[in-house]
Amino acid sequence: SAVISQKPSRDICQRGTSLTIQCQVDSQVTMMFWYRQQPGQSLTLIATANQGSEATYESGFVIDKFPISRPNLTFSTLTVSNMSPEDSSIYLCSVTGLAGGNEQFFGPGTRLTVL
Amino acid sequence: DQQVKQNSPSLSVQEGRISILNCDYTNSMFDYFLWYKKYPAEGPTFLISISSIKDKNEDGRFTVFLNKSAKHLSLHIVPSQPGDSAVYFCAASARPGTYKYIFGTGTRLKVLA
Repeated sequence: SAVISQKPSRDICQRGTSLTIQCQVDSQVTMMFWYRQQPGQSLTLIATANQGSEATYESGFVIDKFPISRPNLTFSTLTVSNMSPEDSSIYLCSVTGLAGGNEQFFGPGTRLTVL
Repeated sequence: DQQVKQNSPSLSVQEGRISILNCDYTNSMFDYFLWYKKYPAEGPTFLISISSIKDKNEDGRFTVFLNKSAKHLSLHIVPSQPGDSAVYFCAASARPGTYKYIFGTGTRLKVLA
C-alpha cells in the first residue's frame, strides 16, 4: 500500500465560501479519485483526477462545483465551491495502480461542515 | 437505484464467534468485489477482494464468498475480535480496469468482549 495524507482533516466553513482539499501520496500512482460520503450514506465517486488533463466527472457532479487538479502523479486537489449545508460530508481521495493491483486505497478523509 | 446493497445496517457478535456480513448486488455485469473496513475518523481500509471467476477467497481470519447466481457475497470473520468493530463496506466493479467501484451503504459491526 501507500501512505496517503489529506489536508485539512476537518473544517467548518460558511455558506458561499470555497474550500480546497489536498491529497498527497508517498509514491507515484496510476489513478487518483475523489469520493464523498454524506452522513449515513455510502461512498459516492465524484471524479477521476487525471494527470495533465481535465478530471472525469461522474453523473451529478460538475467541474464548476468541484474543480480538481492533478499536476503530477503524487498530488491532487479537490475544491468544493460556493458551499451550502448540503455539501457537508466526508471527502476522501483514493489511489489505485499500486503494484499493478485493482484495489483502491483511501486517504483518511476530510470532514467538512458547512454552516 | 442502489446497485450494491447491505441490508443490515448493524450487527453485534460475541468475541470469538463468527461474524457474517452480507452484500447483494443487482448488476450482473459486476465481476470484481471488495470489502473495506472503516474506523471513525479514518479512511476505508482494504480487506479482501474476489473475482467472479472464484467463489471463495480467504485471507487469515477473513473469507469472502461469492454466489453469482444469487448475486450475493458475504464476508466471514472468524474468530471475531473487539478490534474488528468498525463499519464494513462492500464494493463492486463491472470493469476492474477502470477502477470504478460502486459501494454499499455499510454495516456497523460491534464485537462484544
